[in-house]
Amino acid sequence: QKEVEQNSGPLSVPEGAIASLNCTYSDRGSQSFFWYRQYSGKSPELIMFIYSNGDKEDGRFTAQLNKASQYVSLLIRDSQPSDSATYLCAVNYNQGGKLIFGQGTELSVKP
Amino acid sequence: EPEVTQTPSHQVTQMGQEVILRCVPISNHLYFYWYRQILGQKVEFLVSFYNNEISEKSEIFDDQFSVERPDGSNFTLKIRSTKLEDSAMYFCASRTGSGNTIYFGEGSWLTVV
Repeated sequence: QKEVEQNSGPLSVPEGAIASLNCTYSDRGSQSFFWYRQYSGKSPELIMFIYSNGDKEDGRFTAQLNKASQYVSLLIRDSQPSDSATYLCAVNYNQGGKLIFGQGTELSVKP
Repeated sequence: EPEVTQTPSHQVTQMGQEVILRCVPISNHLYFYWYRQILGQKVEFLVSFYNNEISEKSEIFDDQFSVERPDGSNFTLKIRSTKLEDSAMYFCASRTGSGNTIYFGEGSWLTVV
């Protein structure tokens, strides 16, 4: 059974701080890793994806992947109250295949 | 920006009734998906569809469920004989033939009473 695990939170950070969200996955054959943001009652919205070990930056967001440790993380710099949402980690095990989602981490950014 | 559109946004149905959820994927996309999210739970994969046939399905996607792409634009999920536990948000999604990124529609909230 392929699993994706996240701490459900809530993770609370003050405005302007760095929020760090973590995710582990069970299958070493995993190929692609995605971070989605989901506001309550809304659909998942893609933030960014990463395929290779190391860091990938996009604006205030940095995804980090460590395949040896089967670990992927998302850093949000200069957190804003509008970043308050549930962040979903998702893993793709084969080209074009389905995404397996974690349960999501609820982030709360306090003004 | 192109988007996946879904109808209805919310449907209430009586237990035992049939429901059809409709989706219009992004026009140049080739892979289509249905996911579901029960309130407070994970987003779960139901089925993927490519080249007019199911390419993969989960254990959830049993004989109660079916998918169809009747006219080259719409992609539908039919749920027969609905049960209370089918109450969930159903998301349609799609992606291109070459990319890995899956784009989600806004969802159809199904309430079975």
